[in-house]
Amino acid sequence: KAGVTQTPRYLIKTRGQQVTLSCSPISGHRSVSWYQQTPGQGLQFLFEYFSETQRNKGNFPGRFSGRQFSNSRSEMNVSTLELGDSALYLCASSAVAGGLYNEQFFGPGTRLTVL
Amino acid sequence: DAKTTQPTSMDCAEGRAANLPCNHSTISGNEYVYWYRQIHSQGPQYIIHGLKNNETNEMASLIITEDRKSSTLILPHATLRDTAVYYCIVRPPTFNNAGNMLTFGGGTRLMVKP
Repeated sequence: KAGVTQTPRYLIKTRGQQVTLSCSPISGHRSVSWYQQTPGQGLQFLFEYFSETQRNKGNFPGRFSGRQFSNSRSEMNVSTLELGDSALYLCASSAVAGGLYNEQFFGPGTRLTVL
Repeated sequence: DAKTTQPTSMDCAEGRAANLPCNHSTISGNEYVYWYRQIHSQGPQYIIHGLKNNETNEMASLIITEDRKSSTLILPHATLRDTAVYYCIVRPPTFNNAGNMLTFGGGTRLMVKP
């Protein structure tokens, strides 16, 4: 099976702009989670989607949003970019079977730089 | 807050076993112990997970103490490519719990040296 793919891999934006990142999960995986990784805060959970519904959200401002499509592909959006939003954004997918989450598989990430 | 405690860094000689400890003294009865690793600037890679029993796969072995308050990840023959940050994570497994969220701590930076 192909792994989790994320596009674009690298992105440069300026303050005040908005950005949309895309994630394609492993085929058959219906749960998609997003994480932000910065040198100062480490890996932090942003949100998780399952069947087009957000099931959980981390402690991030409302400028961070996401959605999931019927084919399980997911996008996250950051509006009004700030310098502190520069980070590696990671997407992970997992299967759900028998009422249990299976392990999460991560994509390579999108490196966002805000100037 | 992360529910695990790991040493900040460890060194290991190439070809030797790397034993990475993790304390999770507040683990609940239904929570699994997961291990991931992250090689520089790549996405985290799943290694192994377990509930009570010791587990082994092609990458590593996981030893969980009987009281489940700590565990050890063992890389039997470390190579230079095993140099990475290793994260120990506890999480509930069930879909009906609070979502599919992994809480990462600082992890252990393992340096495998020739």
